[in-house]
Amino acid sequence: NAGVTQTPKFRILKIGQSMTLQCTQDMNHNYMYWYRQDPGMGLKLIYYSVGAGITDKGEVPNGYNVSRSTTEDFPLRLELAAPSQTSVYFCASNRSPQETQYFGPGTRLLVL
Amino acid sequence: KNEVEQSPQNLTAQEGEFITINCSYSVGISALHWLQQHPGGGIVSLFMLSSGKKKHGRLIATINIQEKHSSLHITASHPRDSAVYICAVLRVSNYQLIWGAGTKLIIKP
Repeated sequence: NAGVTQTPKFRILKIGQSMTLQCTQDMNHNYMYWYRQDPGMGLKLIYYSVGAGITDKGEVPNGYNVSRSTTEDFPLRLELAAPSQTSVYFCASNRSPQETQYFGPGTRLLVL
Repeated sequence: KNEVEQSPQNLTAQEGEFITINCSYSVGISALHWLQQHPGGGIVSLFMLSSGKKKHGRLIATINIQEKHSSLHITASHPRDSAVYICAVLRVSNYQLIWGAGTKLIIKP
């Protein structure tokens, strides 16, 4: 099993550009999550999904969109990149909220 | 006030020392997680606790539900234990994780 994979590993964006961060898991987990981690801060939940076709906002959803068309994939879309979105983004998944979350390696995003 | 507080924020110790990292929380929880974030950025789950104590190798995690407090201990610390240790609690009201800011641990040889 590859676990949770994320692409790209690193990206530089100009202000106003858009991009999609990809996340795929091969563990057949229903629950998937997107977090951002700013330097010296704890993880903050952006969006989560409880299954294909079902998504919901987390703590900091503004400026982001998600979709969940399959169990495996949970892409995160940035439509109009802003410097405040410079961060490290982690995708995670688990079978249920009460179980351990498995994390991807992260995507480092720099918006200039 | 943050719902999950960790202390200390930073900790530097010599190889072999006994390490304690603390986590206090202010919400009702169904479980508490301890995770490790390596210098390269990867995040790995160490423990999930809802009561009592768990041990894995040199790592021990305890939780006191009444006092809303958990500790992570490392015995015979080693430079490879250098990492950020993160506490996260699963809020019972909506089953979402609330994350502490992490404790940066450096073990010197």
